[in-house]
Amino acid sequence: EVQLVESGGGLVQPGRSLRLSCAASGFTFDDYAMHWVRQAPGKGLEWVSGISWNSGSIGYADSVKGRFTISRDNAKNSLYLQMNSLRAEDTALYYCAKDNGRWLSELFDYWGQGTLVTVSS
Amino acid sequence: EIVLTQSPGTLSLSPGERATLSCRASQSVSSSYLAWYQQKPGQAPRLLIYGASSRATGIPDRFSGSGSGTDFTLTISRLEPEDFAVYYCQQYGSSPTFGQGTKVEIK
Repeated sequence: EVQLVESGGGLVQPGRSLRLSCAASGFTFDDYAMHWVRQAPGKGLEWVSGISWNSGSIGYADSVKGRFTISRDNAKNSLYLQMNSLRAEDTALYYCAKDNGRWLSELFDYWGQGTLVTVSS
Repeated sequence: EIVLTQSPGTLSLSPGERATLSCRASQSVSSSYLAWYQQKPGQAPRLLIYGASSRATGIPDRFSGSGSGTDFTLTISRLEPEDFAVYYCQQYGSSPTFGQGTKVEIK
């Protein structure tokens, strides 16, 4: 059974940093691209970033480019999102999502339960 | 960026009725790279349909997708109680974007 468990969310002041993690199990992690997708409270879904199986291809939404960095550690079956210069509009539930393929097909076939990030002073 | 517009915003129906949800793209979606997700309150989204019309693993056949180019449809043939949820369309393969969602509620 595919399991994705996010952690690292919390309350952070504007301008500060936070690092999210996603622990994956139930599939061969290094065979698939992975993504972060967020959902502001009461709002819709927004793709944040994706990384290919070998970290060779990475993409970011314009809203986070230059502030967020995605990475993965295939030896640890883990995905990360380093979030710097956080803004109030980054407040959201952040989901880790598995891609359907090795490269960034951007089709999300499994999702974690999310970790909440709140940016507020 | 491809903008996806879903309609209606809310659909009020009774169990057993047919639901028809629309998703319109601001430009053509290449190779029908259009997916549908279901999200229930407090839960993560679940993939229902990909490639505009292919059902994901374990999805009941009362869910079907159709369309191409800029116009896509998700149909639920007979609503079950567990189908009342929010549905999102998403285009992929070109900097993914989602529609704003259609809520299917019990009438």
